[in-house]
Amino acid sequence: EVQLVESGGGLVQPGRSLKLSCVASGFTFSNYGMNWIRQAPGKGLEWVAYISSGSSYIYYAETVKGRFTISRDNAKNTLYLQMTSLRSEDTALYYCARRGAPNYFDYWGQGVMVTVSS
Amino acid sequence: EIVLTQSPTTMAASPGEKVTLTCRASSSVSYMHWYQQRSGASPKLWIYETSKLASGVPNRFSGSGSGTSYSLTINSMETEDAATYYCQQGSSYPNTFGAGTKLELK
Repeated sequence: EVQLVESGGGLVQPGRSLKLSCVASGFTFSNYGMNWIRQAPGKGLEWVAYISSGSSYIYYAETVKGRFTISRDNAKNTLYLQMTSLRSEDTALYYCARRGAPNYFDYWGQGVMVTVSS
Repeated sequence: EIVLTQSPTTMAASPGEKVTLTCRASSSVSYMHWYQQRSGASPKLWIYETSKLASGVPNRFSGSGSGTSYSLTINSMETEDAATYYCQQGSSYPNTFGAGTKLELK
């Protein structure tokens, strides 16, 4: 069974940093591209970032480019999202999601909440 | 960036009623994908590559479309279908979602 479990969320002040993790199981992690997708409270879905299976290809939404860094450790079956210079508009539930081909999201985690507030 | 516009924003349907949700793209895309999100739950892949049902999705659901116009249809509304449905394009980055259609039970 495919499982994606996010962690690392919490309450953080504007301008500070936070690092999210997503541990994958039930599939060969190193064979799949992975994504972060977020959902602000009461709002819709926003794709945040993508990393290919071998980390060769990385893409970001314009809203986070230059502030967020996606990475992965295939030996640990873990996806990361390093978030810096956090803003109130980054407050959201952050999901990791596996990439299906062609480019959809076939499995999602339960999400981890990030709240940016002073 | 490809903008996806979903309509209607919200709607209510009675059990047994036929329901059609639409998604229009600002530029042509190769496929459209759809997700179902029930209240308090993570989104689930529902329809991929425009018309293929994800595992476990009832066959009363169908998807169709091409170019800039796509739709999700429920042949006969059931209680469990009440949820928010999002369309998504993966033809180009940034991948984008529509704002969602909230489908309620009448």
